[in-house]
Amino acid sequence: QVQLVQSGAEVKKPGASVKVSCKASDYTFTSSGISWVRQAPGQGLEWVGWISAYNGNTNYAQKLQGRVTMTTDTSTSTAYMDLRSLRSDDTAVYYCARDDIVPTLNFHYWGQGTLVTVSS
Amino acid sequence: QSVLTQPPSVSAAPGQKVTISCSGSSSNIANNYVSWYQQLPGTAPKLLIYDNNKRPSGIPDRFSGSKSGSSATLGITGLQTGDEADYYCGTWDSSLSAVFGGGTKLTVL
Repeated sequence: QVQLVQSGAEVKKPGASVKVSCKASDYTFTSSGISWVRQAPGQGLEWVGWISAYNGNTNYAQKLQGRVTMTTDTSTSTAYMDLRSLRSDDTAVYYCARDDIVPTLNFHYWGQGTLVTVSS
Repeated sequence: QSVLTQPPSVSAAPGQKVTISCSGSSSNIANNYVSWYQQLPGTAPKLLIYDNNKRPSGIPDRFSGSKSGSSATLGITGLQTGDEADYYCGTWDSSLSAVFGGGTKLTVL
């Protein structure tokens, strides 16, 4: 059964960085991509970006360009999302989802979510 | 303000049918596939419909999707109390970003 297991909750101060991990299992990691979606408390879904686990190509949401970096470690089938210069409005649950080798919105499998709280 | 417009809430009685609309534009829905997600409280979203009208395995045929022009619709028949959830549409935009609707809360009366 395909599984995506994310790292635990984080509390960060404004201006800091956070790195969330997403470990995949039970499928060929390099034949897929990983998308990240976030959800602020009580709000809707917001796409953060996508990375190909095949070749490392990325596509980031315009509003986060310059602050977000997505990477993968194919040796451990793990994807990472690094968000810098954190602001209070970055407080959200961050989800990873299995995507294709090109970005789609067909997320059949999701991680359990990681709450990132930005507070002074 | 979301790029895709959904009604904030819809409601219907058990056993009835409900539709949830998702309105976009020529920059997004009109030229791209639409997906629909169901989110129960405190859980990750679940894919209900992809490529406008396809159901992943395990999703009952009570759920259906359609698209016409720059709008899409999710239909749910034979409503059950377990269908109470938030529903989101999503698609790609010409800005090369994925966009979601603001979400619709379904209440089964």
